[in-house]
Amino acid sequence: AQSVTQPDIHITVSEGASLELRCNYSYGATPYLFWYVQSPGQGLQLLLKYFSGDTLVQGIKGFEAEFKRSQSSFNLRKPSVHWSDAAEYFCAVDEKSSGDKLTFGTGTRLAVRP
Amino acid sequence: KAGVTQTPRYLIKTRGQQVTLSCSPISGHRSVSWYQQTPGQGLQFLFEYFSETQRNKGNFPGRFSGRQFSNSRSEMNVSTLELGDSALYLCASSPGLAGGLYFGPGTRLLVL
Repeated sequence: AQSVTQPDIHITVSEGASLELRCNYSYGATPYLFWYVQSPGQGLQLLLKYFSGDTLVQGIKGFEAEFKRSQSSFNLRKPSVHWSDAAEYFCAVDEKSSGDKLTFGTGTRLAVRP
Repeated sequence: KAGVTQTPRYLIKTRGQQVTLSCSPISGHRSVSWYQQTPGQGLQFLFEYFSETQRNKGNFPGRFSGRQFSNSRSEMNVSTLELGDSALYLCASSPGLAGGLYFGPGTRLLVL
C-alpha cells in the first residue's frame, strides 16, 4: 500500500528565515503529489500540485516544491517565512486510480518565531 | 466562484444517535469526497462520489454512508454514533482530471 511520510511533526523557524518541509512517498509509480495547508479550525487549502513535467512547482503564497524521483520526495520550500505561515502542512498523494482519492501524510506543524 | 460549503459547522450528538452532514461543491465540480480528521488517525478517506455514484470507498464501517444528488450536492450519514466518531469531517470537491481537491471548512462533530 502506498504511504506518505512527513518525518517532522513540528518545526519552528524565525520570521524571515527559509523553510523546507519534507515529504517522502512510497509507491511503485510516480503518483500525483500535493501540498495542503490547514490553519487552526479551518479546512485544507491547496498550495500546489505536481503531475508531470518540470520538477519544480510554484504554488500560492510564495511556496514551491521540488519533485525528486530518485529520492521519492516532494519537499515544500519557502525562501522567507511570514508569521501568517504558521499552520499545519500536509503532503498528499493520488495514486492515479479511478477517481480522486488522496492519501495524506501525518502533517507538519509550523510555528514562526517573531 | 463560491468555495465548498458544509453544514452544519458544529454538531453535538450523543452515543447511539445518527447524524447527517451536508456538502455543496464548487459549481461545476462533479466529484465530491469526504474525509475524517482526528488527532490520532489524521486525515482518512471515507468515500468519493461522482455523478451520483460511489466511485471509491475507504475502510470505514457500514455505519458511515453517503450519497450524491443530481446537482452534485452530497450528504454523509453516520448511524449509531460512537464516541470515536468525534472528528472534523471534511468535504472536498474536484474538477476531475486530477485537478486536486478543494476542501470545505469542515463539520466538527462531538459525540458525548
